[in-house]
Amino acid sequence: AQKVTQAQTEISVVEKEDVTLDCVYETRDTTYYLFWYKQPPSGELVFLIRRNSFDEQNEISGRYSWNFQKSTSSFNFTITASQVVDSAVYFCALSRNSGNTPLVFGKGTRLSVIA
Amino acid sequence: DGGITQSPKYLFRKEGQNVTLSCEQNLNHDAMYWYRQDPGQGLRLIYYSQIVNDFQKGDIAEGYSVSREKKESFPLTVTSAQKNPTAFYLCASSMRRRRGATNEKLFFGSGTQLSVL
Repeated sequence: AQKVTQAQTEISVVEKEDVTLDCVYETRDTTYYLFWYKQPPSGELVFLIRRNSFDEQNEISGRYSWNFQKSTSSFNFTITASQVVDSAVYFCALSRNSGNTPLVFGKGTRLSVIA
Repeated sequence: DGGITQSPKYLFRKEGQNVTLSCEQNLNHDAMYWYRQDPGQGLRLIYYSQIVNDFQKGDIAEGYSVSREKKESFPLTVTSAQKNPTAFYLCASSMRRRRGATNEKLFFGSGTQLSVL
């Protein structure tokens, strides 16, 4: 069975600090996709990134970066120089490359950035 | 602008009552999904539909029903059989995934908060 674990339930940081959100996944598939979504207070989930299992290159997008390590089944997300607008719930999710299989989500990490 | 519209934003249900949550998309997506979000529980899949007039149960389908008569619409009915309906409900859609193609990302609506009176 597939599973996504986000062990950090809530994190609080002071503005401008760096913060890393952890994501560990379990799957028996050799081909799969990993996602991160952001859920601001408005409620709508916003897509941040998608990574397939064959691409282990780390990715950077502005203040956001992602570290994908197949050896440890982890897909961690780092926010550099955090801002108050980064306050949200962040979800890691896992999918499969077979059928239109819905995503399996972790329980989410609530990030609070304090000014 | 293309997107997903959920209505109402807030909904209250009385004991023994069925209520229907609306989800409409104008993204021309084939696949649509309903997720339930409870505090600390993440998102759990209720039902999904890959094509008109077809849908499948997700992980927590009991007490819910859906229909997919039109491509752009995927309403969710919370029946009286659902004993704990208070939650935040999210609708999502994606392009139909073709064999061998990359898994498509989900686009989400802004959700409906359902509470019991």
